[in-house]
Amino acid sequence: KAGVTQTPRYLIKTRGQQVTLSCSPISGHRSVSWYQQTPGQGLQFLFEYFSETQRNKGNFPGRFSGRQFSNSRSEMNVSTLELGDSALYLCASSPRSAGDNYEQYFGPGTRLTVT
Amino acid sequence: AQSVAQPEDQVNVAEGNPLTVKCTYSVSGNPYLFWYVQYPNRGLQFLLKYITGDNLVKGSYGFEAEFNKSQTSFHLKKPSALVSDSALYFCAVTTRVLIYNQGGKLIFGQGTELSVKP
Repeated sequence: KAGVTQTPRYLIKTRGQQVTLSCSPISGHRSVSWYQQTPGQGLQFLFEYFSETQRNKGNFPGRFSGRQFSNSRSEMNVSTLELGDSALYLCASSPRSAGDNYEQYFGPGTRLTVT
Repeated sequence: AQSVAQPEDQVNVAEGNPLTVKCTYSVSGNPYLFWYVQYPNRGLQFLLKYITGDNLVKGSYGFEAEFNKSQTSFHLKKPSALVSDSALYFCAVTTRVLIYNQGGKLIFGQGTELSVKP
């Protein structure tokens, strides 16, 4: 079974630009979560999508948005980039059920550098 | 509010010695607890989890963790450390209610840098 894939792996953008990151979950998983990882703030939850609906959103400005497609693939977008947006963006997929087999599977991440 | 604490930013261990990485949590309800490991410039790799059942959980690469409900702890352990275990370790928690009501949000600790010296 293929794991979670994220593209691109690395990105360099300049302030003011926008960026779109992509995440393909494990086949059969319908929940996709996004996290931002920085040295100072650690791992912070951005948002989660299930069946093309955003179910939860972390404490991030409106410049951060996302969506999920009918095949469960997800994208996140950051507009008007700031230097502080430089981070590793991680995507995780999980099955719908919160039973004993619940787990979040993480992708390799996209390293975004804003200059 | 739900939270996870990893009280040590760094743990230093000699190769062959036992290691412990500490984690305590605070949630309402029964916790789902996870340990992940992260190597430089990589994503999070699952090590083990506790959802229900035996308090001692065995995971990948010889790691294990013990769920202690009274102390709200889930410490990660390994009997004999390897240099290749050097990495950043994260403890995370969620609950069944959080999963269904707030989506797939894992609450992470700040991470513990494990350094194993030969």
